[in-house]
Amino acid sequence: EAGVTQFPSHSVIEKGQTVTLRCDPISGHDNLYWYRRVMGKEIKFLLHFVKESKQDESGMPNNRFLAERTGGTYSTLKVQPAELEDSGVYFCASGGSYEQYFGPGTRLTVT
Amino acid sequence: KQEVTQIPAALSVPEGENLVLNCSFTDSAIYNLQWFRQDPGKGLTSLLLIQSSQREQTSGRLNASLDKSSGRSTLYIAASQPGDSATYLCAVTGTGNQFYFGTGTSLTVIP
Repeated sequence: EAGVTQFPSHSVIEKGQTVTLRCDPISGHDNLYWYRRVMGKEIKFLLHFVKESKQDESGMPNNRFLAERTGGTYSTLKVQPAELEDSGVYFCASGGSYEQYFGPGTRLTVT
Repeated sequence: KQEVTQIPAALSVPEGENLVLNCSFTDSAIYNLQWFRQDPGKGLTSLLLIQSSQREQTSGRLNASLDKSSGRSTLYIAASQPGDSATYLCAVTGTGNQFYFGTGTSLTVIP
């Protein structure tokens, strides 16, 4: 069974540009989570989808971040416009009621 | 707000030693506690999941314990090997299913 996949693995963009990260969860998982780790800090929750609905987006830092989950399958996280402090590793996880499986992450570098 | 602390931040041991990693959390109303391993540039690998009703879980040379009332967990690694070198992360979930992560313990096992 395929695990959680994320694309791209690494993205380097300039400040002010737009970047879209993609996450493909494990097939059949209704719950999908986004997290990020900025340099030197702990991994922090961004938001949680149940199927196509946003269950909790309390961790989204500001309105430059937009997450979608089309048809309850894959999810995208768009950052527009990107700022220097958005650099970090963005993780996606999917799961059932109590265990989450993490993807390899997307390393975003904003210059 | 849940806060997770991991001590020590870094640990270096000779091969063959037994070692203990510590995790503490401020809110004892958790659903689960999970230990992860992260290798450089890679995603998170789940090691052990302890549900709130459980006291410990074991997998091979790893043993994780949970004391909810005191807000503590330990990860015991027996007979450490160089391949165990990685960052170990502790995370807890509460009612919202989101994970709260510690900043991790960076382990180096010296051959």
